[in-house]
Amino acid sequence: ETGVTQSPTHLIKTRGQQVTLRCSSQSGHNTVSWYQQALGQGPQFIFQYYREEENGRGNFPPRFSGLQFPNYSSELNVNALELDDSALYLCASSLEPQGVGEKLFFGSGTQLSVL
Amino acid sequence: QKEVEQNSGPLSVPEGAIASLNCTYSDRGSQSFFWYRQYSGKSPELIMFIYSNGDKEDGRFTAQLNKASQYVSLLIRDSQPSDSATYLCAVRRALTFGSGTRLQVQP
Repeated sequence: ETGVTQSPTHLIKTRGQQVTLRCSSQSGHNTVSWYQQALGQGPQFIFQYYREEENGRGNFPPRFSGLQFPNYSSELNVNALELDDSALYLCASSLEPQGVGEKLFFGSGTQLSVL
Repeated sequence: QKEVEQNSGPLSVPEGAIASLNCTYSDRGSQSFFWYRQYSGKSPELIMFIYSNGDKEDGRFTAQLNKASQYVSLLIRDSQPSDSATYLCAVRRALTFGSGTRLQVQP
């Protein structure tokens, strides 16, 4: 149990719709990173938020956007859903973004299916 | 070339044997390396991290880092069926993960 919670656990959407996924970070953690994990693949880095600012972004289009709130919880928004967006979305919190020893604590994930 | 490469497996070892998992990376500037374990249907959990060249031991797990050759490995001694999972190698920069190696420990 990492203390990182994600909601919802499962979600079914249709192509073209928009979705919002939520994450509450572990107590004391000010950094949240989001990942997309397709079946049989490793997690792919989407972006990271540190103290409410985006602090790095992976190779994902602008229709993937995010927010971090003053309590360090975070949202991932995906617009204009495509079939390939079907994946497990993982949120991970950490103590700081810049340290060499950045250890990630993952939530249980949101399984998104796009039909 | 992928930033982090792992053999997808499955790597099958008998119970009690040593399992050896390998990972290579392309970014020479990477400073920290992590091994995560992911059970089927679950999220990744951190099991080891290493920053310096050489070996780091934690219980049955040993991480090995060779920056000159750009590889990091994980040894699991006395493998147990409960070790059966996918092992993900991660590199600090861009928090990049490999695709994982699936380990099967046969009772």
